[in-house]
Amino acid sequence: DADVTQTPRNRITKTGKRIMLECSQTKGHDRMYWYRQDPGLGLRLIYYSFDVKDINKGEISDGYSVSRQAQAKFSLSLESAIPNQTALYFCATSDRDRGGYTFGSGTRLTVV
Amino acid sequence: AQTVTQSQPEMSVQEAETVTLSCTYDTSESNYYLFWYKQPPSRQMILVIRQEAYKQQNATENRFSVNFQKAAKSFSLKISDSQLGDTAMYFCAFMNLPPSGSRLTFGEGTQLTVNP
Repeated sequence: DADVTQTPRNRITKTGKRIMLECSQTKGHDRMYWYRQDPGLGLRLIYYSFDVKDINKGEISDGYSVSRQAQAKFSLSLESAIPNQTALYFCATSDRDRGGYTFGSGTRLTVV
Repeated sequence: AQTVTQSQPEMSVQEAETVTLSCTYDTSESNYYLFWYKQPPSRQMILVIRQEAYKQQNATENRFSVNFQKAAKSFSLKISDSQLGDTAMYFCAFMNLPPSGSRLTFGEGTQLTVNP
């Protein structure tokens, strides 16, 4: 099994719908992240969490929310999806002291 | 805030030849980490190489090496003996030292195509 698992792998949803992207990890890392990838823009940080009780906004958090249900689970929600949220979304974890990252395989989200 | 710039959106190289991907960054910190990640069509993010800013020696991993110029804030990736499997999007990334750091800041990416 993958160290960082994202579900779903692909999703098409309609404008205005609420959608949740899920992420779970078996790395035992405290730190988890959600990034968004757009062509020509690279990956940009949406939210991050350094432990279960610590949630922080990244550079593009508007329109998104997160929940850290446990050390191993970090979900991203789009309360009312809009077409410009169409993107590839990555969850990642990192080691606290050495900073090594492990990425999930991504969720490709299309909002129509 | 840190910024990372990759000025080459696309590059191509012939199989077995050498190619260099460019990356510049901006930071006021003196110690940090720099990374190159590879994203093949499978879209998995794969760590290629990592450089610690306090180390003057350039990092090397098999056919991959970097040219780290700290004063110029430049971090280029050289791929020697290019292979078809090197075809991928390559991202340069910056991280402040953990534990207070840990967030990655990415460049825009460079799409590399290796031609047979």
